[in-house]
Amino acid sequence: NAGVTQTPKFQVLKTGQSMTLQCAQDMNHEYMSWYRQDPGMGLRLIHYSVGAGITDQGEVPNGYNVSRSTTEDFPLRLLSAAPSQTSVYFCASSPWQGTTADTQYFGPGTRLTVL
Amino acid sequence: KNEVEQSPQNLTAQEGEFITINCSYSVGISALHWLQQHPGGGIVSLFMLSSGKKKHGRLIATINIQEKHSSLHITASHPRDSAVYICAVRRNTGNQFYFGTGTSLTVIP
Repeated sequence: NAGVTQTPKFQVLKTGQSMTLQCAQDMNHEYMSWYRQDPGMGLRLIHYSVGAGITDQGEVPNGYNVSRSTTEDFPLRLLSAAPSQTSVYFCASSPWQGTTADTQYFGPGTRLTVL
Repeated sequence: KNEVEQSPQNLTAQEGEFITINCSYSVGISALHWLQQHPGGGIVSLFMLSSGKKKHGRLIATINIQEKHSSLHITASHPRDSAVYICAVRRNTGNQFYFGTGTSLTVIP
């Protein structure tokens, strides 16, 4: 199993550009989520999904869109990049036992810089 | 105000020392997780706890639900334990995780 994969590893954008961060998992996990990690702050939840066709907002959703058309893929779209979105982005997945998420598996991260 | 607080923020230890990292939280939870983030950035889940104590090798994690507190202990610390240790909680309402800012551990040979 590849686990959780993320592409790209690094990305530089100009203000106003849009892009999609890709996340895929091959463990048949229902729960997938996107976090951003900024210096001096803990990981913060952007969006999450408990299954195909179901997504919900996390703590910091503004400026980001997600969709979940398959169990495997959970892309994160930046609609119009801003310097405040410069961060390291992590995708994670876990099994979903109805109301309880199990151990989370993290992707390697994407380091995004917005100029 | 952060729902999850960790202490200390930074910790330096000599190889072989016993290490304790603390986590306090202010919300009702269904589970608490301890994560390890290596200098290269990768994040690995160490433990998931909902009560009591778990042990894996030299790592021990405990949780006191009544006091809303968890500790991560490392026995016989080694330089390869140098990493950032992150506490995360899943609230018992909703499906979201909340994270502490992490404890940066350096173990000196």
